[in-house]
This record gives sequence, structure tokens and C-alpha cells, in this order.
Amino acid sequence: ILNVEQSPQSLHVQEGDSTNFTCSFPSSNFYALHWYRWETAKSPEALFVMTLNGDEKKKGRISATLNTKEGYSYLYIKGSQPEDSATYLCAPGGSNYKLTFGKGTLLTVNP
Amino acid sequence: NAGVTQTPKFRVLKTGQSMTLLCAQDMNHEYMYWYRQDPGMGLRLIHYSVGEGTTAKGEVPDGYNVSRLKKQNFLLGLESAAPSQTSVYFCASSYGTSGDPVYEQYFGPGTRLTVT
Repeated sequence: ILNVEQSPQSLHVQEGDSTNFTCSFPSSNFYALHWYRWETAKSPEALFVMTLNGDEKKKGRISATLNTKEGYSYLYIKGSQPEDSATYLCAPGGSNYKLTFGKGTLLTVNP
Repeated sequence: NAGVTQTPKFRVLKTGQSMTLLCAQDMNHEYMYWYRQDPGMGLRLIHYSVGEGTTAKGEVPDGYNVSRLKKQNFLLGLESAAPSQTSVYFCASSYGTSGDPVYEQYFGPGTRLTVT
């Protein structure tokens, strides 16, 4: 079982603020790092899957970076909007089909 | 294209009763997963399957059994429910070939189970 740490646990920002959060994971036996967005009363939805050290991915105002050598990934949200309010999960995966999910960062964007 | 569906959405069981949760996907995915979500614990993997007729244990398999008789369906069974199994259960599926977890997982809407 991988030790996956996400910080902060929760975050309140004002509309228009930019923000970022961290996912830390063991760097050994690494194959991929997933980010999911989970809105209240819905199901998790994939944002990004990253595999290479130095990977950067972007979807609209959300972007992510990956450092596999030191075992961390950052998720950035530029100009937060109330609809960005959700829990953001990261999940590293090794060579065994499985992902280990972190406990998530709960983001609340106040209008 | 319905994606991943779960049946039922809600269920209340008494201790010792049994039930089966059904997960179905129409995306022709090889891999399917059952997770449970508890407050403060995040998503934890119960069992998973990498193809029709195969199953494997995840992080918290005790008290659960699974079957994957058809590629599109993944069943999770509770033989003798316990209050500790009160949780929200999510099924997920993903494309996969080599076993590397490089494909995103698609989640069902969840089943809220209460065991009294």
C-alpha cells in the first residue's frame, strides 16, 4: 500500500484567486500519476494522467506538473471559479494495475 | 452510451444479511474495480479484475467476494453484512492492455449501503 499524501486537506479561496495543491508519493515503482476531480454528490472524474518526469498537462484553467524523481505532483487552478469547488484526488499507480488514492484536497471557492 | 452504471443506488441491510451490488460498463473496458469511500479515509480498493473471468484482492477485501463472468459486469457480494461495511461503494472501469495504470478510470454513480 503506497503512502500518498495530499496537502492541504482543505482550502478556501475567493473567486478569481489562483491556487495550487500538492500530492506526494513514493518515487519507487512508479508508472503513472492520476488526478481526479470529485464534486459533491457526483462521481470522481479524471483530469489528468501523467507518466513522465517533467510532464505538464493543462485543461482550461487547470494544469498539473509531475516530478517522479522526488515523488510529487502539483495541481494549479488559475482564476478559481465557484464551479471549481470540489475535492481533488491524486492517485499514483505502480506496475500492478492498481491506483492508490490520496484523501484529497477539498477546495471551496467563495463568490 | 451509459458509461458505468451501478445497481442499486441505495440499500439498507440488517447485520448478517447478504446482497450483491452490480456494476455494468458499456465501454468494452478490460479492467474493473470496486472501491469503498468512508469519511476521512478516501477511496480504498476492495477487489479488481483485469479481464473476464479474473479477479484479485485489493487493499480491503475481507468480507467481500466478486465475480466477473461477463466482461461488461463486475459483481460485488457481501455474504454476511456487518455494520463496518456501511459505506459508499464505487465501481470503476478503465481501458488496459499491459497492466500499466496509464489509463483513466471511469466511475459509476455509487451505491450507498447502510448496515444496521
